Amino acid sequence: QVQLQQSGPGLVKPSETLSLTCTVSRDSIENGYYWAWIRQTPGKGLEWLGAVYYSGTTYYNPALKSRITISVDTSKNQFSLRLTSMTAADTAVYYCARQFAKISVTGTCDYWGQGTLVTVSS
Amino acid sequence: DIQVTQSPSSLSASVGDRVTITCRASQTIGSYLNWYQQRPGKAPKLLIYAASSLHGEVPSRLSGSGSGTHFTLTISNLQPEDFATYYCQQSYIAPYGFGPGTKLDI
Repeated sequence: QVQLQQSGPGLVKPSETLSLTCTVSRDSIENGYYWAWIRQTPGKGLEWLGAVYYSGTTYYNPALKSRITISVDTSKNQFSLRLTSMTAADTAVYYCARQFAKISVTGTCDYWGQGTLVTVSS
Repeated sequence: DIQVTQSPSSLSASVGDRVTITCRASQTIGSYLNWYQQRPGKAPKLLIYAASSLHGEVPSRLSGSGSGTHFTLTISNLQPEDFATYYCQQSYIAPYGFGPGTKLDI
């Protein structure tokens, strides 16, 4: 079964940049899926942030488009999230996930990481 | 963006009951609708994709139906492990929005 292991800080200062990494095991990141980031807050619920293909192709939630970068490192079987200019509103549990790429089911996330609670505070 | 709503927001039931959760999209999305289950402190788990296809080893007492803008998740013969929060998600067009959730408790 595919496993996604997240790593990264749980505390980020306001205006700083969040960096999270998701390491994929028991599957190749080049195996024809997108790799996504989703976050969850008590107020806004679950929010899809964006996704990357192993080729480096990305697409993002327009609400974050100027602040977000998702990248992939095929040599390490990892993908990463970078979110700049963090504010208290970005405090959330962040999840990485494997996302179907097939047109008929794209956007569907079948395996998820364990989640990382990221708090934005000085 | 496509807005996704769910009803009810919470639901009380008993083991052995049958429950139905409804999800509506703000515009037609064909069958691009998924259902997830989330237990406290855990990541969401995919149950149903493409409105009615069970994922992996999800038991057949769960079923999904609908198309266009109106969808339902039905759970028959409720088991203790079914008491959780359920989310629908539209996967028709990015950003893939989620519903606000339905908490199912005893």
